[in-house]
Amino acid sequence: DTAVSQTPKYLVTQMGNDKSIKCEQNLGHDTMYWYKQDSKKFLKIMFSYNNKELIINETVPNRFSPKSPDKAHLNLHINSLELGDSAVYFCASSQVTGGGQYFGPGTRLTVT
Amino acid sequence: DAKTTQPPSMDCAEGRAANLPCNHSTISGNEYVYWYRQIHSQGPQYIIHGLKNNETNEMASLIITEDRKSSTLILPHATLRDTAVYYCIVRVEPGRGYALNFGKGTSLLVTP
Repeated sequence: DTAVSQTPKYLVTQMGNDKSIKCEQNLGHDTMYWYKQDSKKFLKIMFSYNNKELIINETVPNRFSPKSPDKAHLNLHINSLELGDSAVYFCASSQVTGGGQYFGPGTRLTVT
Repeated sequence: DAKTTQPPSMDCAEGRAANLPCNHSTISGNEYVYWYRQIHSQGPQYIIHGLKNNETNEMASLIITEDRKSSTLILPHATLRDTAVYYCIVRVEPGRGYALNFGKGTSLLVTP
């Protein structure tokens, strides 16, 4: 059983397109996150949702819009894709009470 | 969050204990030490965390010095599959979700 899953695993698209990445967790966690890992391998937080409420919103362009339909899902929609958006995007989840964050396998986005 | 310092790389022979150090001299009393690792092309994996007592789980042991200014992650019998980048992260125990600030970590190479 996959704890945190993401789809798609790979996404290749052209500049200017709009795309979405989906994330689902079956751990019963109440908090979910999106992280971005750039070409230099630095991992940075983008967003965090707790019980469908946005609680962390780092300095991310407005073209990125997270949506959490329920506690088990957190999707990331990206408008007007740019070359600089090329990266690996990781979804994660945790319990608000503490413990570790559990990450998905990542979605490698390539914008051409 | 307190800043952490880790060596950029380490080697370990297969079957031996891998001891990964982390300095966090500015740690506050309510900050925990978390360890994660990222195996190539995979999502980060939570390993262990602790406040001041030593902790052990099925993956590793965490030894925190009495003054809490440094810690060591111990993989008791390293295998080739333990080759990864290991991240030491210090932060307060989460409330309504929390961001992990990944640094550069230590690249551990386990050799046959």
